[in-house]
Amino acid sequence: SSELTQDPAVSVALGQTVRITCQGDSLRSYYASWYQQKPGQAPVLVIYGKNNRPSGIPDRFSGSSSGNTASLTITGAQAEDEADYYCNSRDSSGNIWVFGGGTKLTVL
Amino acid sequence: QVTLRESGPALVKPTQTLTLTCTFSGFSLSTSGMCVSWVRQPPGKALEWLALIDWDDDKYYSTSLKTRLTISKDTSKNQVVLTMTNMDPVDTATYYCARLYYDILTGYVPFDYWGQGTLVTVSS
Repeated sequence: SSELTQDPAVSVALGQTVRITCQGDSLRSYYASWYQQKPGQAPVLVIYGKNNRPSGIPDRFSGSSSGNTASLTITGAQAEDEADYYCNSRDSSGNIWVFGGGTKLTVL
Repeated sequence: QVTLRESGPALVKPTQTLTLTCTFSGFSLSTSGMCVSWVRQPPGKALEWLALIDWDDDKYYSTSLKTRLTISKDTSKNQVVLTMTNMDPVDTATYYCARLYYDILTGYVPFDYWGQGTLVTVSS
């Protein structure tokens, strides 16, 4: 299967912890990566591989995976974390990349 | 410093062929493990992966769009070109190019750098 499924919207109170999930059969074989996108801007990679953060990404962002579900956790969400978040991985062939439908995160 | 920049027409007519160029710097597509990909995003909608070309000139395409897409590279110019045939209004989107590479220690590092995107509108 080549589909990655995300909840359309999630909200979190300022300073609290939020988990954004991504489901897909291919996640049993391949890691997910996660992207943050703010309005009018290009996506930014925040998590890749087992749980790797590119330089400059705050350590409140972390990733995990279990079975067919990958998760992005923001521990102590900040106002600036309000954005759309997309997961991405490969399909079962390993050669085709797929994005999830995105999750709009609102920080209350 | 890695940068990517997309260029191409802002407006194309239905049935026409779209040609987009990604010009990059700060890395070489002749380096083992290096790849460049195209991703698009219709207004208000999700990201959609389109195509990828790697350092070895292997090419991969979205299953749903593979009959319409061609990706190529000019390593000497640090450019990757995407063509999409038979454009339709539903293809109206911001088109991004992004870097991806394979690291022997960490595996794939997908889409770590993106261009700013170029909006393509398909209308008669």
